[in-house]
Amino acid sequence: SYELTQPPSVSVSPGQTAHITCSGRRLGDKYACWYQQKPGQSPVLVIYQHSKRPSGIPERFSGSGSGDTATLTISGTQPMDEAVYYCQAWDSRAFGGGTKLTVL
Amino acid sequence: EVQLLESGGNLVQPGGSLRLSCAASGFIFGDYVMNWVRQAPGKGLEWVSTIGYDGGATYYVNSVKGRFSISRDNSKNTLYLQMNSLRADDTAVYYCAKGSSSMTTVTTMDYWGQGTLVTVSS
Repeated sequence: SYELTQPPSVSVSPGQTAHITCSGRRLGDKYACWYQQKPGQSPVLVIYQHSKRPSGIPERFSGSGSGDTATLTISGTQPMDEAVYYCQAWDSRAFGGGTKLTVL
Repeated sequence: EVQLLESGGNLVQPGGSLRLSCAASGFIFGDYVMNWVRQAPGKGLEWVSTIGYDGGATYYVNSVKGRFSISRDNSKNTLYLQMNSLRADDTAVYYCAKGSSSMTTVTTMDYWGQGTLVTVSS
C-alpha cells in the first residue's frame, strides 16, 4: 500500500510562513491534496492537484510538489490557521498521519 | 450549497451491526464517487470505503473487508454503510465525503459531512 509521511507538528509565529511537508514515493508525479481539520470540525479541502485552491480558500494557502515530496505553504499565517493538516495522493485513498500546526 | 448529513451512529455491542446513512443535496449525486472516512478518538483520518458513481465499483480498506458494505441509492441521493461484526477498534466518527470526480481513480474529497459517532463497547 502507498504510504505518506508527515511531520507530527510544525510551529510558526503569526504573520510568518509555514511549510508542511508530505513524503511518498514519487508523490510529485501523483499530485497531492491537503485537508484542514480544526478541533471538533470536519475536514476541509484546502489544496488539490498539488497547487489548486477550492473556492473560498484564502490565497495564503498554496501547494507544490516535486520528487517524493509535496508541500503545503501558508503565507502570513493567522491564528485561525491553527489546525491539523492531512495530505493525500491523487490516486491513493490513504491519508498521511497529519501535522498539527501551532501558531504562537 | 453541497450538504452531506450522516445519521445512524450509535452505541453497539461487539459483534453487532449498524447501518449508516448519508443524505446528500446541492449537487447531482449520481455523477460523483462517494466515500466513507473514519476517525478514531484522538487519531488521524482513515479511509474506509469508496463507491463509484453508479454503484458498480466498490473499494474497502483491508480491515473492514468482508464486514462492511457500501451502497448508494441515486434515486434517493443517499449513501449507506452497512457495518457487521463490529469490533472495538471500529469505534470512530464516520464521515461521508463527496468525491471530486466520477472517476474512482481520483481520490480527492471536496466536501465532507459533520460525521456520526459509532461506539463499539459492551
